[in-house]
Amino acid sequence: QVQLQQSGAELVRPGVSVKISCKGSGYTFTDYAMHWVKQSHAKSLEWIGVISTYNGNTNYNQKFKGKATMTVDKSSSTTYMELARLTSEDSAIYYCARPNYYGGSYYALDYWGQGTSVTVSS
Amino acid sequence: DIQMNQSPSSLSASLGDTITITCHVSQNINVWLSWYQQKPGDIPKLLIYKASNLHTGVPSRFSGSGSGTGFTLTISSLQPEDIATYYCQQGQSYPYTFGGGTKLEIK
Repeated sequence: QVQLQQSGAELVRPGVSVKISCKGSGYTFTDYAMHWVKQSHAKSLEWIGVISTYNGNTNYNQKFKGKATMTVDKSSSTTYMELARLTSEDSAIYYCARPNYYGGSYYALDYWGQGTSVTVSS
Repeated sequence: DIQMNQSPSSLSASLGDTITITCHVSQNINVWLSWYQQKPGDIPKLLIYKASNLHTGVPSRFSGSGSGTGFTLTISSLQPEDIATYYCQQGQSYPYTFGGGTKLEIK
C-alpha cells in the first residue's frame, strides 16, 4: 500500500533552518512527483511547490521561493524540504502529497503524509 | 494566481440533511478541480477529482458538479462521520491554490 512517512515534529529557534523528510513506499517512487503543502491556522492550506522525483526539477509557489528548498534522494525514495530563516509565520504543519494523473495537465493529490509540525519559538 | 472563493466558511446541519458547499474560481479551470475532506486531527484526504469523480472508497452520498468557474460539493443524508472541514483546490495551473475551507458541524 502507498505510504508517505514524514519526519517528526520540530521545535526550532527563530532564524535557523530546518529540513524535513518524506519517504515514499508501496509504489515506484520515481513514477510520481511529490508536492508539499503548508497548513497553518491563519492561512488554511497553501501549496508550496512540487519536485520531480525522477530528475529533481522543481516548481515553487513564488511566495515560498527563498524560503523552501525541495530535494530528492532516489536511492532512499525520500524527498526533503528545507525551510530557511524561520520566523513565527513558518509555524505550521507541513505535508507531502503524491499526485495522480487524471487527464489534461491535471493532477489530484491522492496520498498525503501524516504531516510534520514545525514550531518556531525562542 | 488563481483565486478560490469557498462558501460558506462554516455550516451547521442535522443528521440526514443534504448540504451544499460552493467554490467560485477567479478564472476558467475547465473541470480541473479537486475536493478534500479533513476530519479533526487527521490529514486531508482526496474526496473528488476532476470536479465530479469520486475517489476510491468515497461513499456515494458525496457528489461534485460544475465546470469553468463554479463548482459545488453536495453531501446527501449527512452522517456523523462527515464532520470535517472541506477544501476545494484547483489543478489547472501552478501555483495550485485552495479554498479557505468549510467547517461542517452537526446540529
